[in-house]
This record gives sequence, C-alpha cells and structure tokens, in this order.
Amino acid sequence: TQLLEQSPQFLSIQEGENLTVYCNSSSVFSSLQWYRQEPGEGPVLLVTVVTGGEVKKLKRLTFQFGDARKDSSLHITAAQTGDTGLYLCGGATNKLIFGTGTLLAVQP
Amino acid sequence: SAVISQKPSRDICQRGTSLTIQCQVDSQVTMMFWYRQQPGQSLTLIATANQGSEATYESGFVIDKFPISRPNLTFSTLTVSNMSPEDSSIYLCSVDRAGGSNTEAFFGQGTRLTVV
Repeated sequence: TQLLEQSPQFLSIQEGENLTVYCNSSSVFSSLQWYRQEPGEGPVLLVTVVTGGEVKKLKRLTFQFGDARKDSSLHITAAQTGDTGLYLCGGATNKLIFGTGTLLAVQP
Repeated sequence: SAVISQKPSRDICQRGTSLTIQCQVDSQVTMMFWYRQQPGQSLTLIATANQGSEATYESGFVIDKFPISRPNLTFSTLTVSNMSPEDSSIYLCSVDRAGGSNTEAFFGQGTRLTVV
C-alpha cells in the first residue's frame, strides 16, 4: 500500500513565524501536488512538482521535491492568518493518493 | 482546471433516511471520484464513477450503502443510504486532470452531513 505521511499533523503558530511541512513516502511518484483546504471548502491545488530536486515558489510558499521523488516539503515564510487551513500533499502513480494532512492554525 | 458544483453544501438528516449529493462539472470527464473526509483529516476514497459502467468501490465501501449514478460525462450523484450517526462526515466529489506526468485533482466545495 502506498502511503504519504505528513508531518507535523497539527501546527499552531503566531503570525510572522516560519514553518515547514513534510510529505514522505517509500514510493517514487511521477509528480507531487500540494493542496490547501479552508473550512467549508474543497481542497484547492497550490502547486505541482515534477522533477527531482525541483523548487517552486508561490509568493511566501516554497515547495521542494526530493531528489529521489519520494518526498516533498512546503515552507511558509512569515505566516499570515490567511494561511490557516488543512494542507494535503498528493502523489500520482497509477492513481492519485493523498497525504495524512497537516492542520495549520496561524494565530494573530 | 475544472469548476465543480456540489450540492447540498450541508444537511442535517434523521437516522435511517437517505441523502443524495449531486456533483456537476463544467466540462466532460471520464472519471469522477467520491471522497469522505472527517474535519481536519485526510481524504478517503469511496468510489470511482465511470460513465456507462458500474462504479468501482474501495475496500470498506459497498454499493448498497453508497449507490452512485453517472448518467453523463458531466454529472454524478452519491447517495448515503440508511444513514446512521457514523455517516456524519464531509463528502467531496473530485475530477482529475492529467497532463504529461501530472495528475491534478479538482474538488467540489463538499457536503457537510450531520446525522442525528
């Protein structure tokens, strides 16, 4: 069974702090996606990483794909209350699977 | 991308009754997916709905409990039958978009179901 383990499971920080969320697997993925879900909404795609070692930036968010394409990280710089939500990684092999999730709360 | 409209957005239902959730996509897709999610947790795939054939159910989910319709390439329904409080959850429909080596998912806004 392919698993995508995310850590930490929960994270509560103050506005302005930095944080990193990890997504790890023993399987190789052709691509990994990161999604953010706000309360009352479905997950929304943030980014897709495809190449091992790839780094993508989306404003204050930095996404990295591991060299072996088995893991990924999401780093948020100077977190804002609007970053609050559930972050999910997703990996595609023969079908799409989702990580265990990281619930982030950014306090004002 | 894909725009997915899901309804109802929430409902409170009596145990023993059934609720049908509708999902409309703004373009034709081969497969539509139904997920269940506890608040703050990850997604559990219930079934894959294929147009013109029976839905494919994941382990732990059966057609009698979660019948699915897929009458055309832009629409699907999921029914939660004979509900109990344990069925209280968020139900999400989704489609995939594949481009090269990427498979990206797009979701409806979800249906928050409470069974009392």
